[in-house]
Amino acid sequence: NAGVTQTPKFQVLKTGQSMTLQCAQDMNHNSMYWYRQDPGMGLRLIYYSASEGTTDKGEVPNGYNVSRLNKREFSLRLESAAPSQTSVYFCASRLTEYSNQPQHFGDGTRLSIL
Amino acid sequence: GESVGLHLPTLSVQEGDNSIINCAYSNSASDYFIWYKQESGKGPQFIIDIRSNMDKRQGQRVTVLLNKTVKHLSLQIAATQPGDSAVYFCAENKETSGSRLTFGEGTQLTVNP
Repeated sequence: NAGVTQTPKFQVLKTGQSMTLQCAQDMNHNSMYWYRQDPGMGLRLIYYSASEGTTDKGEVPNGYNVSRLNKREFSLRLESAAPSQTSVYFCASRLTEYSNQPQHFGDGTRLSIL
Repeated sequence: GESVGLHLPTLSVQEGDNSIINCAYSNSASDYFIWYKQESGKGPQFIIDIRSNMDKRQGQRVTVLLNKTVKHLSLQIAATQPGDSAVYFCAENKETSGSRLTFGEGTQLTVNP
């Protein structure tokens, strides 16, 4: 009963380094999302994938890229990390894009950039 | 801009009491609302949802009330337990916006023994 699995759980990077955050879901959901959560800001959408083969920008896409590898997996890449990208990153999935269904979240990746 | 927010950032209750967490939304076109619970170090966990054609929905120990006239959403937790201590978020979805949920900042609920 895994749901949404994110790896790694913690990561420390130096400014300018790159890394990829991994997300996989086992609920056969079509839509997947990446959010960042910062104190006092709530959850903000970075990118989403309404279905396999499509990706779209969210509210705060600058500095990030995404890949929908297959129906199960959706990765988030930081090409050149900046201290402003220090945050907790959550991946979520949903049955379909246009459905009155909740999004289900993973437990997050805590990323610090020095 | 349009946003979803919560009236109180913190709420402290005694174990066994009922808790009420409030949420105000500004987008009258929103047609679906969700409450999430987030424990420290974990991701948001779905609690209950409600569609705009309803004004009340009940789950196990939780009830969500929707007042579309004043654009207000509330979460009631009956017989609050220490395990209910967490941050609670409301979120809204406008069907025509597809994937996008708009989240409030959250209310920290503390249950005192």
